[in-house]
Amino acid sequence: ELKVEQNPLFLSMQEGKNYTIYCNYSTTSDRLYWYRQDPGKSLESLFVLLSNGAVKQEGRLMASLDTKARLSTLHITAAVHDLSATYFCAVDGGTSYDKVIFGPGTSLSVIP
Amino acid sequence: DAGVTQSPTHLIKTRGQQVTLRCSPKSGHDTVSWYQQALGQGPQFIFQYYEEEERQRGNFPDRFSGHQFPNYSSELNVNALLLGDSALYLCASSGGQGGETQYFGPGTRLLVL
Repeated sequence: ELKVEQNPLFLSMQEGKNYTIYCNYSTTSDRLYWYRQDPGKSLESLFVLLSNGAVKQEGRLMASLDTKARLSTLHITAAVHDLSATYFCAVDGGTSYDKVIFGPGTSLSVIP
Repeated sequence: DAGVTQSPTHLIKTRGQQVTLRCSPKSGHDTVSWYQQALGQGPQFIFQYYEEEERQRGNFPDRFSGHQFPNYSSELNVNALLLGDSALYLCASSGGQGGETQYFGPGTRLLVL
């Protein structure tokens, strides 16, 4: 059964600092997603990583995927308060339209 | 272009009742997935519909059932509601020109008293 773990689960960081959120998963998959969720809101798609070694960047966020290590990272550069949210990684079974399993989420708080 | 829409936005029911939630996918999408998100947790996959059939199912009891219509819209039905069914129910659509990305609707917040 596919399991997805994230760490840390809670992260408090100062503005301007860098940090990395880690996402580990238990079975083979070559599709990984990162989502952002603001309190009381739905999920916003950030990145879709489709192959080993994939790296994508958007603003202060950069995501990477290592399918051999079953690990993805979400790196935050020079954090700003607007990045405060919960970040989820999600993995599917690797076949077309397989079910997507979410991690528990990382609650990020950026302190001015 | 309207994104994924869900109705209703909020719902209050009592234990034992039945509820129907609705979802319209993003234009061009043919696949609808439903998730349950309890407070403080990640979304849990309920099931996925494609071509009007349930294609994948998560670890949810038969009280949870669904349907997809020819226009790709979908319904989630929950029978014999329990207090533990209180959650945010999210619909996501994908497929067609959207590729692998799932686009989520705003969700329906269900409270069971």
